[in-house]
Amino acid sequence: ETGVTQTPRHLVMGMTNKKSLKCEQHLGHNAMYWYKQSAKKPLELMFVYNFKEQTENNSVPSRFSPECPNSSHLFLHLHTLQPEDSALYLCASSQDQDSSTDTQYFGPGTRLTVL
Amino acid sequence: AQKITQTQPGMFVQEKEAVTLDCTYDTSDPSYGLFWYKQPSSGEMIFLIYQGSYDQQNATEGRYSLNFQKARKSANLVISASQLGDSAMYFCAMSDRDSNYQLIWGAGTKLIIKP
Repeated sequence: ETGVTQTPRHLVMGMTNKKSLKCEQHLGHNAMYWYKQSAKKPLELMFVYNFKEQTENNSVPSRFSPECPNSSHLFLHLHTLQPEDSALYLCASSQDQDSSTDTQYFGPGTRLTVL
Repeated sequence: AQKITQTQPGMFVQEKEAVTLDCTYDTSDPSYGLFWYKQPSSGEMIFLIYQGSYDQQNATEGRYSLNFQKARKSANLVISASQLGDSAMYFCAMSDRDSNYQLIWGAGTKLIIKP
């Protein structure tokens, strides 16, 4: 495996379900990110982890719960979602989050549909 | 105030022609980075090219080059000899200290290459 992988690629869930999105990076990076991309909207940064510590939480509802057990893995736990949470969820990683030269590399995304 | 502006929502270009995608930015930080990403319909966000604010020369990566005009705060992406596979959304993004080195994204340009 190379780069950034995400599973599942597609997910359909009901509003009462609990599911998790998984992201894994094989680039030796120290920072990992979750983004939400809704139709017709710019990318929204949700969470950032740097060296396993959460450094950003952009006012994300508590029904989204991130987990970063180590610098290679990032999870997004989902529960009691709303239909407006349907979107493409992108994971990214970068070397570290401390300079303007830091380049983020993205996974293929998980297309989430909440019924 | 919008920090990244992409004024072309959509563009149609004939195959094999060169194409320029516009991006203007706004920052008071002397040190910043500019990035271009490509997002095909599959959803993955693919890093294309990076330009640092102190770089003396325009960045190039294969058929991609960045026309960096610092005084005009412009960082246009140029794709030479366009191919059908270049059809995608293209996003310009910036990182600076004011944004805590998070990427600030433009709204994107949808590029369609005509055969």
